[in-house]
Amino acid sequence: GAVVSQHPSRVICKSGTSVKIECRSLDFQATTMFWYRQFPKQSLMLMATSNEGSKATYEQGVEKDKFLINHASLTLSTLTVTSAHPEDSSFYICSASGGTNEKLFFGSGTQLSVL
Amino acid sequence: GNSVTQMEGPVTLSEEAFLTINCTYTATGYPSLFWYVQYPGEGLQLLLKATKADDKGSNKGFEATYRKETTSFHLEKGSVQVSDSAVYFCALSSGGYQKVTFGTGTKLQVIP
Repeated sequence: GAVVSQHPSRVICKSGTSVKIECRSLDFQATTMFWYRQFPKQSLMLMATSNEGSKATYEQGVEKDKFLINHASLTLSTLTVTSAHPEDSSFYICSASGGTNEKLFFGSGTQLSVL
Repeated sequence: GNSVTQMEGPVTLSEEAFLTINCTYTATGYPSLFWYVQYPGEGLQLLLKATKADDKGSNKGFEATYRKETTSFHLEKGSVQVSDSAVYFCALSSGGYQKVTFGTGTKLQVIP
């Protein structure tokens, strides 16, 4: 079946640095990609929706200048957490829509820890 | 807005035990309901779904019935296996597969 590759799976960084997370669709073209965030004991929350070649649409309360999303090709979307702070520590997961029936396929997630 | 509430984990069961993971939802209109599963080190995978009231989704021995009157979609399996150890997410969508609202996830650990 369709596979979405996300990496890194885990990253630890210092406060103030930027971190890039990649999400690739391996065997289908992803017209739409989604980025989610999950804090401990909370739900997966949609952060933004991106369509290839256009600007991402951010959910209310998500800072677009802090969470930069690039979807430059039909197989790759990146999320950059700029000037990360400890409160950005979270589990980030991407999903891609495409292939048959436009179903959702998820990456394995990235655990970000900001010191 | 839409929301999903599922039982907190972790849930620890012995092999061959009966499993129930409760899920209730709040939504406008008539949402589709899903259970996703995430095995260790892998992405979320769609386990089963139901698109209208009284529908029963089933897959790999798991079942869930769309109960509109109680706004519930509880996940059940008659006899769990060690390989079922994973995190299970209840979810809903009001607009197709794409914009999905998730619960917090329930970790299931099955011991031999």
